[in-house]
Amino acid sequence: GAVVSQHPSWVICKSGTSVKIECRSLDFQATTMFWYRQFPKQSLMLMATSNEGSKATYEQGVEKDKFLINHASLTLSTLTVTSAHPEDSSFYICSARRLDTDTQYFGPGTRLTVL
Amino acid sequence: QKEVEQNSGPLSVPEGAIASLNCTYSDRVSQSFFWYRQYSGKSPELIMSIYSNGDKEDGRFTAQLNKASQYVSLLIRDSQPSDSATYLCAVGRINTGTASKLTFGTGTRLQVTL
Repeated sequence: GAVVSQHPSWVICKSGTSVKIECRSLDFQATTMFWYRQFPKQSLMLMATSNEGSKATYEQGVEKDKFLINHASLTLSTLTVTSAHPEDSSFYICSARRLDTDTQYFGPGTRLTVL
Repeated sequence: QKEVEQNSGPLSVPEGAIASLNCTYSDRVSQSFFWYRQYSGKSPELIMSIYSNGDKEDGRFTAQLNKASQYVSLLIRDSQPSDSATYLCAVGRINTGTASKLTFGTGTRLQVTL
C-alpha cells in the first residue's frame, strides 16, 4: 500500500496566527509532495509542488510568503499558513508521489477554520 | 475550455446497474490518467490509473482511455450504495525538470439508489 498521513486533522485558530500542517508518507519515500486546497463543493486546487531538498514551486496566484512549504526529508513536507485570515479557512490536502508508479496518494486532509 | 471536464451530475443509477463516468481533457501531451473517489468531507482515494489506450479492469471497475479522442471513462459494475460519492478525473503531464502534477476535473457526483 501507499499510506500518507496528515496532522492535525482539524485546527481552529484566531485570525493573525500561523498554523503548521504536516504531511508524511509512511511506507514509501516521496521526493515530491503536493499541497491542495478545496473549498466546499469545489474541486481540488493545486497550491504548490514540494520537492525534497529544494524550494517549492507555487501555482499562479498562490502567495509563497503566506503559504510556507518545507520538504526537509523524503517522508515529510510541511505547510505553514502564516497570518491566517478567515478567507484561508478551507480543507487542505497533501499528496505524496510514489516514484515507481508516478501516482499520487492523498493524505486525509486538514480542515482549517480561522476565526 | 477547462483542462479537464466532467459532468457534475448527479448521476443516479439503481443498485446493481452499471455506472458510466466520463471525462475529457484538452492537453494532448497528457500521459497519465487517474480516477479518484471522494466521499463528502474526506480526501480523494485512488480507484484506478491508466496510461495507455484501451481498457483496464480492476474488480468492479474498468477504466477506458482513448488518447485520440482525449477521453477517459470509468465504468462501475454492480453499483452499490457505498459507491455513492464524487468521482474525480485527474490528468497528469510531465513538467520540465519536475514530477508530473495532476489537473483535476470538478468531479461527477454518483448516487446509487436502492
